[in-house]
Amino acid sequence: KQEVTQIPAALSVPEGENLVLNCSFTDSAIYNLQWFRQDPGKGLTSLLLIQSSQREQTSGRLNASLDKSSGRSTLYIAASQPGDSATYLCAVLPVGEYGNKLVFGAGTILRVKS
Amino acid sequence: GAVVSQHPSRVICKSGTSVKIECRSLDFQATTMFWYRQFPKQSLMLMATSNEGSKATYEQGVEKDKFLINHASLTLSTLTVTSAHPEDSSFYICSALGDRRTDTQYFGPGTRLTVL
Repeated sequence: KQEVTQIPAALSVPEGENLVLNCSFTDSAIYNLQWFRQDPGKGLTSLLLIQSSQREQTSGRLNASLDKSSGRSTLYIAASQPGDSATYLCAVLPVGEYGNKLVFGAGTILRVKS
Repeated sequence: GAVVSQHPSRVICKSGTSVKIECRSLDFQATTMFWYRQFPKQSLMLMATSNEGSKATYEQGVEKDKFLINHASLTLSTLTVTSAHPEDSSFYICSALGDRRTDTQYFGPGTRLTVL
């Protein structure tokens, strides 16, 4: 059974810092991995999606890498801003799962202090 | 981009009543929608997969008679929490599968259910 773990559970940094969020998964047989952002009491916003054949994806100040063989992904946020404060969720789509069922990690709660 | 809406965004009800939550794909058709629930500071747990025109597929441990799902059209799925109890209080989020080529799910804004 696929399990997704995110470390750290919470992170507080001063504005301007570069930071890394970690995601690990137990079964390397995945179609893709996705990073989401969730603001308090809100739904999910997709940030980056990495297909299993890809190593990384970039969008603005965000860069996500994928090492499928070791079951790891990192989300790098450059020059963090207070507006980046949110919960960041990692999810994988396992191979063999009928119906596109995502498996989510518990998230990292990020607070960027001004 | 693809937009998914949920209604209501927040609902408070008395124990024993039933509550219906709607999930709509606004600018695309979705043959498959998903329903999740999320407890405070926890991750999303998939409850069921909703397929247009057929019965929903429920995850292990989810009572199908408790959580009724109807996917009557390509843009609308509903989740009805029947005879709600305080332990059903949670954040319910739906998603719609928009692009099978990339397995992209688009998420709704969520519905906060509080059962008194």
